[in-house]
Amino acid sequence: EIVMTQSPATLSVSPGEGATLSCRASQSVSSTVAWYQQKPGQAPRLLIYGASTRATGVPARFSGSGSGTDFTLTISSLQSEDFALYYCQQYNDWPLTFGGGTKVEIK
Amino acid sequence: EVELKESGGGLVQPGGSLRLSCVASGFTLTNYAMNWVRQAPGERLQWVSAMSASGLTTYYADSVKGRFTISRDTSKSTMYLQMTSLRVEDTAVYYCAKDMDIVVQIGALWGQGTRVIVSS
Repeated sequence: EIVMTQSPATLSVSPGEGATLSCRASQSVSSTVAWYQQKPGQAPRLLIYGASTRATGVPARFSGSGSGTDFTLTISSLQSEDFALYYCQQYNDWPLTFGGGTKVEIK
Repeated sequence: EVELKESGGGLVQPGGSLRLSCVASGFTLTNYAMNWVRQAPGERLQWVSAMSASGLTTYYADSVKGRFTISRDTSKSTMYLQMTSLRVEDTAVYYCAKDMDIVVQIGALWGQGTRVIVSS
């Protein structure tokens, strides 16, 4: 099973600042990584797939990069609605697996 | 509008059974892979089961293999997850998720979830 490890667990950021979230795979997954946003009491929402392609309707301030084992989600200027939990997921091999999440909180 | 709505969750004793349903609207089940993903309290998301668009290929997490069965009724636009021999560790919110393509890859659209509690 491919293990996805996210860091940091919590990121404290002021509104308007940028944030960089990291995700590392235990083995190469090429570019088969997706990122999701989840708010309390809500289902996850797809943000990024193919490591760098924004899903429909996702603001341009969200960007993804990486390949192989190291991936990054960057939020260029945090808005109030961006404070949430973020998960990475690999879909290179079954079982599809998620990282443990990074909570982006208001500083 | 593309939408998913789960139902069927509830409180069940260990060893019991439940059948979760996911009604799809705004798209055709045979055009997309479909998934069940669960989230236990304080735990990371876990992909439980999935079915390709053709229905010919199904996947199960090792922890549920032999106990859970994914199926669908295309005439009702509904996907199911039959859960038997339930364990305390199956307690979670269960989400159905529509994939982006015919193969199992990504949760492109999620339902609101249905809560399953396994407890005596």
